[in-house]
Amino acid sequence: GAGVSQSPRYKVAKRGQDVALRCDPISGHVSLFWYQQALGQGPEFLTYFQNEAQLDKSGLPSDRFFAERPEGSVSTLKIQRTQQEDSAVYLCASSLRRTWDTGELFFGEGSRLTVL
Amino acid sequence: AQTVTQSQPEMSVQEAETVTLSCTYDTSESDYYLFWYKQPPSRQMILVIRQEAYKQQNATENRFSVNFQKAAKSFSLKISDSQLGDAAMYFCAYRSTGNQFYFGTGTSLTVIP
Repeated sequence: GAGVSQSPRYKVAKRGQDVALRCDPISGHVSLFWYQQALGQGPEFLTYFQNEAQLDKSGLPSDRFFAERPEGSVSTLKIQRTQQEDSAVYLCASSLRRTWDTGELFFGEGSRLTVL
Repeated sequence: AQTVTQSQPEMSVQEAETVTLSCTYDTSESDYYLFWYKQPPSRQMILVIRQEAYKQQNATENRFSVNFQKAAKSFSLKISDSQLGDAAMYFCAYRSTGNQFYFGTGTSLTVIP
């Protein structure tokens, strides 16, 4: 696609519900990142994929958070048993190559999750 | 882990004037990249400018330029001839050799007509 696409843009969940957030990166981009951005804060790293391999998931805040990218393209971030502290904007970003390069991150518009 | 610090939560500038946003970072690496990203209210972040650590020359992109001081681990952004469309959150970011990106907490820039 022309840009990084995220869906849904807005999601309201009741506490305890499961949610799934989708990211469709730019075609051909090898690296894919998920970030969590609280209101008025900078993005906080959650997890990183290179193709289908999840190379780093050290930022996932608990075992309720799970991410996958089974075919090395579309990625899904799943949050189980949502809590109020999970309310944030979830940003997906992709970059072109896996090797050391000057490539910047290309961001989607984010998915705003509100947990009631 | 690397850290990125932006000490100015908010800044304002008169239209057509110049403003400088500050950023410092902490790292033990010698090769890395630094970025400034802009996040308008629509929330999609876009790249403003990048700097390779091994290059001594400061990067410039039209009205945007940086002052990169490697020894001081400082990376400030200068916006010249500020325009109303420059109003946004600005994030400084560090990319490590491990392809990990670290972001500062951001500076909210207001442009006064």
